[in-house]
This record gives sequence, structure tokens and C-alpha cells, in this order.
Amino acid sequence: AQKITQTQPGMFVQEKEAVTLDCTYDTSDQSYGLFWYKQPSSGEMIFLIYQGSYDEQNATEGRYSLNFQKARKSANLVISASQLGDSAMYFCAMREEQPPNAGGTSYGKLTFGQGTILTVHP
Amino acid sequence: GAVVSQHPSWVICKSGTSVKIECRSLDFQATTMFWYRQFPKQSLMLMATSNEGSKATYEQGVEKDKFLINHASLTLSTLTVTSAHPEDSSFYICSASGGKGARNTEAFFGQGTRLTVV
Repeated sequence: AQKITQTQPGMFVQEKEAVTLDCTYDTSDQSYGLFWYKQPSSGEMIFLIYQGSYDEQNATEGRYSLNFQKARKSANLVISASQLGDSAMYFCAMREEQPPNAGGTSYGKLTFGQGTILTVHP
Repeated sequence: GAVVSQHPSWVICKSGTSVKIECRSLDFQATTMFWYRQFPKQSLMLMATSNEGSKATYEQGVEKDKFLINHASLTLSTLTVTSAHPEDSSFYICSASGGKGARNTEAFFGQGTRLTVV
């Protein structure tokens, strides 16, 4: 079974500052993927960043970077230069995946953390 | 990227009636679709996994006779909330995976449906 834990119900950050949203996970899967999604008040799920368990380098996507520490089973999201539009709910999620050399693709279900509400102050 | 379209985006229905929510993959064939439910300020909870051409797999505690799922084609899955009650009021959102060239990094979500039962 997979479990995702986000221990920060709410976070506040000043505009233009960086913020780290915590995520720890527990799984017995050898190969898995970790995701971060942003959910504004409209409800849509906006994909931010992905990290495969076999990836040796931390993922980065623009202002988003994922601090992946496999031994500690953590996958924290770092948002640099926060903007007012970053205010939203953020979810960490994971799913079991096939190893990179398996040749297939993985369409498994996502398990989500509890979410963190980020508020960016001007 | 690929697009998943969910309809309607919101619906209000009377208690005891049924409501159908559609989830379509617009530019790829989705072999698998997932239905999630989300209460305000809470996480997304998986309700069921919908596989094209076969019966859906429901998570523990989800009534399959109340939440009917049909995945009749590779581009459409429907969730029907039968005999809806106020406690069924929630945000329902679908996710689709699959398609030629799809990578592990991709899991696409619909816009979600806000259901209110009065």
C-alpha cells in the first residue's frame, strides 16, 4: 500500500520569496512516480512536476523544483520567486510504475496527500 | 499536452434523482480512467478504476450500485450517481491515462464536476 503525508495544512509566504512544501511517502514498490499538483479555487488539477524513483537528478520545471531524497522518502516541492497567483491548494501524489527498462508505460492510480493551502502575501 | 474534458462542470439536482457525469479524452485513447471524489478542503479519494470494455474496480467502501461507471469506448467514461442524496454532494473529478506516446509523467485530469443535491 502507498501512503503520502503532507504535514503542513497551511503555509504563508511573501511575494517573491521561495517556499518549500513538504511531502513524505511510504511504499513497498520498487518503482514509482511522484507528482505535485496545484488546485486553485476553480477545482482543476494543474500538473506541476514529476519525479521518477529511478531518476538520479531532481526534477525542475521553471520555478518549481522537487527535492527528492529517496533514502528519507521525501519529495518536497520548492517554489521560487512566489507570485500572488501561486495561492492555491497543493497536492503531492504517487503511483506505482514500471521500471524504465521495462519498456511499457504505467497507468496506475494516484494516491494523494492531504494537501497544503499556500497563501502568497503581497 | 493531452486534454481530458469533463461535463458538466456543475450540477444541482433534487434528492432521489440520478446524475450522469461524462469524462472524455479528446486527443488520445484512454485505456484506463479513474474517478475521484473530493470534499471541501480535503484530499482526492479514489472511488473506482474504469477500464475500457470491462467492469470497473471499486475502492473499498464505495457502493458500486450507487455509483455506476461505464467505460464503453476508449474516449469516454461515465459516472452515474443514482438516487442522489445531499450527502453525495461533492466535487467529482476524473483522470485518464494511456495513448500513443504517453509517458509515465502524464496523468491528465478533467475540470471536475461540482454536484449539489438539494
